[in-house]
Amino acid sequence: DGGITQSPKYLFRKEGQNVTLSCEQNLNHDAMYWYRQDPGQGLRLIYYSQIVNDFQKGDIAEGYSVSREKKESFPLTVTSAQKNPTAFYLCASSNWGTNTGELFFGEGSRLTVL
Amino acid sequence: AQKITQTQPGMFVQEKEAVTLDCTYDTSDPSYGLFWYKQPSSGEMIFLIYQGSYDQQNATEGRYSLNFQKARKSANLVISASQLGDSAMYFCAMREGLGWNRDDKIIFGKGTRLHILP
Repeated sequence: DGGITQSPKYLFRKEGQNVTLSCEQNLNHDAMYWYRQDPGQGLRLIYYSQIVNDFQKGDIAEGYSVSREKKESFPLTVTSAQKNPTAFYLCASSNWGTNTGELFFGEGSRLTVL
Repeated sequence: AQKITQTQPGMFVQEKEAVTLDCTYDTSDPSYGLFWYKQPSSGEMIFLIYQGSYDQQNATEGRYSLNFQKARKSANLVISASQLGDSAMYFCAMREGLGWNRDDKIIFGKGTRLHILP
């Protein structure tokens, strides 16, 4: 089945550690996105990429890094510089060629910093 | 400045009634798209409906319709004949541009939590 796979689903991290969240899609979509969700804050855009080897900062990129070396993969690293990393992280992709270009989401990764 | 505003943090509606979820947006780009997503307690994001800035008619998908008022920059979601399964968070989102430019991105509002009462 085509879709977006995020892993791990749950992750616990000690303060000061970097952690990488995986996002893989087999939808052949060009664009990929990372959002952070906190209660009452909606979804906030961290990074996005419209094409391989290119990505843009979103509204809350500080303390995060990404890479887009392959079309199907867009991993997100939460660095120790991110002050409040505990959150629900959602990866999504979209296809420019469709009429709507809506986002297709993974199931999310819940990160807890201990 | 917030570009997507959802002014209703929470709503309670009686089952079978119609419900309107408000969304206003701000953009100077003539080309944009508006989306509504549903997020049940399971956390998955479900795409409901889309409206393009050049679309002449309001979008409809089953029980969902989008009341698009371009001059007022308003894109309210209307759910007809609400059901218990409609209880969820609802997010309005906007894409500025047509989607294939490097800077095109999709941003979300803070959401409205809808509770359907039996």
